[in-house]
Amino acid sequence: DADVTQTPRNRITKTGKRIMLECSQTKGHDRMYWYRQDPGLGLRLIYYSFDVKDINKGEISDGYSVSRQAQAKFSLSLESAIPNQTALYFCATSRTSGRATSSSYNEQFFGPGTRLTVL
Amino acid sequence: DAKTTQPPSMDCAEGRAANLPCNHSTISGNEYVYWYRQIHSQGPQYIIHGLKNNETNEMASLIITEDRKSSTLILPHATLRDTAVYYCIVRVLYSGGGADGLTFGKGTHLIIQP
Repeated sequence: DADVTQTPRNRITKTGKRIMLECSQTKGHDRMYWYRQDPGLGLRLIYYSFDVKDINKGEISDGYSVSRQAQAKFSLSLESAIPNQTALYFCATSRTSGRATSSSYNEQFFGPGTRLTVL
Repeated sequence: DAKTTQPPSMDCAEGRAANLPCNHSTISGNEYVYWYRQIHSQGPQYIIHGLKNNETNEMASLIITEDRKSSTLILPHATLRDTAVYYCIVRVLYSGGGADGLTFGKGTHLIIQP
């Protein structure tokens, strides 16, 4: 079973609709992230959360909101979707560790992505 | 975070070593070099990271120049499954542990030729 799952995997919606993308993880990691990727470009950070009570805006948070319902779940919402939010969305997790050089401390684990199309 | 420069694309023959360069001339002393790759719209996958010493793991080797202004990711025996976009990322590790988000550029599209 995948350690980081995203639902739905594909979604087509209309302008103005509210959309929620969900991310779940079984890795026991405390940190979770949402990124978006536009065609031909790298990923850009939307929001990140260091734990259930700690939510932080990323580079492109306008038009998005998030909810960390539990350590294992991090949801991304588009309150009123618009066409330029059409993109591939990735959730990721990582673990806080006291050892700065351990790979698990530095590694982010990504979900399979959600392809969102806003018409 | 320091900016990185990578060639947009590279070819490599299957079975040969693939050497992917990255320039990070403005890197700070406390910034690490990370490499991730993304295979055809899948979620990115961590490969390796380093500070100033060369690093090797089961996937690749990372060579960082002595002045730390550039680095090279080496895939020793490239296979067709290594065809992917490779991202070089420079990132500081804040005190207190953990890393926040990564900044991805456009990366290098590595194509392994049969």
